[in-house]
Amino acid sequence: GAVVSQHPSWVICKSGTSVKIECRSLDFQATTMFWYRQFPKQSLMLMATSNEGSKATYEQGVEKDKFLINHASLTLSTLTVTSAHPEDSSFYICSATSRLISGRAANEQFFGPGTRLTVL
Amino acid sequence: RKEVEQDPGPFNVPEGATVAFNCTYSNSASQSFFWYRQDCRKEPKLLMSVYSSGNEDGRFTAQLNRASQYISLLIRDSKLSDSATYLCVVNMEYGNKLVFGAGTILRVKS
Repeated sequence: GAVVSQHPSWVICKSGTSVKIECRSLDFQATTMFWYRQFPKQSLMLMATSNEGSKATYEQGVEKDKFLINHASLTLSTLTVTSAHPEDSSFYICSATSRLISGRAANEQFFGPGTRLTVL
Repeated sequence: RKEVEQDPGPFNVPEGATVAFNCTYSNSASQSFFWYRQDCRKEPKLLMSVYSSGNEDGRFTAQLNRASQYISLLIRDSKLSDSATYLCVVNMEYGNKLVFGAGTILRVKS
């Protein structure tokens, strides 16, 4: 149980285009979803936290108009990288948490497999 | 100063060796602590939570020293499959905000 999927797993796009990444909790309802970014040989950096039905909370230095997050349901959150540029190339990972999964800690985050974005 | 600091390694060890990783965190108000494992080009996976009393899961032992703001992970009898990057992760506040260290690379060789 507690499976999180991401789609697509990798994407290559031209500079200036927008890219949408989906994060789904497959077998549980996620009260909160998180979006992270990881550059090569660096740690995961939290970009934003989103709760279903409310606006995402962005971390300092993350442009909310560039990284649009929509959390329309308890099982789906999307991250849209608008007008992507080569410096946006990174590994984007989502995670989800729920208080309702028996046998697991209330704050345990379940990670998706990640999306590798390459902007040419 | 980084919020979570780790020695990046790599640690190159032979099979069967015992290896220890250390981690320090800057925020004394941190609430919970974890070790995650991340394989190349994959998502991180929870290895174990870390408690003040110390905890053990098979070959893995984690320790927390709140006074020194220090966390450790000990791996005994290393296997080839233990080769990965080990991430020290701290929950900085009430709620679910996790802060990741940059990771320590472990390479176990036969």
